[in-house]
Amino acid sequence: DTAVSQTPKYLVTQMGNDKSIKCEQNLGHDTMYWYKQDSKKFLKIMFSYNNKELIINETVPNRFSPKSPDKAHLNLHINSLELGDSAVYFCASGSFARATGELFFGEGSRLTVL
Amino acid sequence: QQQVKQSPQSLIVQKGGISIINCAYENTAFDYFPWYQQFPGKGPALLIAIRPDVSEKKEGRFTISFNKSAKQFSLHIMDSQPGDSATYFCAASRTGNQFYFGTGTSLTVIP
Repeated sequence: DTAVSQTPKYLVTQMGNDKSIKCEQNLGHDTMYWYKQDSKKFLKIMFSYNNKELIINETVPNRFSPKSPDKAHLNLHINSLELGDSAVYFCASGSFARATGELFFGEGSRLTVL
Repeated sequence: QQQVKQSPQSLIVQKGGISIINCAYENTAFDYFPWYQQFPGKGPALLIAIRPDVSEKKEGRFTISFNKSAKQFSLHIMDSQPGDSATYFCAASRTGNQFYFGTGTSLTVIP
């Protein structure tokens, strides 16, 4: 069973379109994250939800809107896609207050905006 | 502001050699320092982690050295193998707070 699963794995779309990426974790974690990895491999945190509540909202254009229907799911919706949005988006989960602090990442969703 | 600084950006090592990646941090409140390994097309995965109450942690060929006074920690990969070729990220966090990742090191181990 995949611990953190994201769909779709690949997404190719035109500028100006709206797209969503879905994420689900079956680890029973209370915190989920979205990271953006650009072409230089830098991992930049975008959002974090703890028990469905937004706790981290980094400087991200408001075209990006996360939604957490329950603790096991965190979706990312992107409006009016721009060329600069092309990247790999990783979902991750972890236990907010747990001592080990490990993050579990999904395999990523590669978004290409043409 | 980059909370965790990582170097080098890329590293090429011969098979059997030692790979060393360094990281430095500023926030003394950090209490968890993991290293993540990422293969192409995959998400980062935890490799090894250390807490500041110990100066070294070893798991197989991978060792973290931690210098609390210098606010630095490093990953040593002994007997490096071609299968170790990947991107390595250091990170730091305070329990209950977000992770701060380094900028990554692309390691290539030449057979």
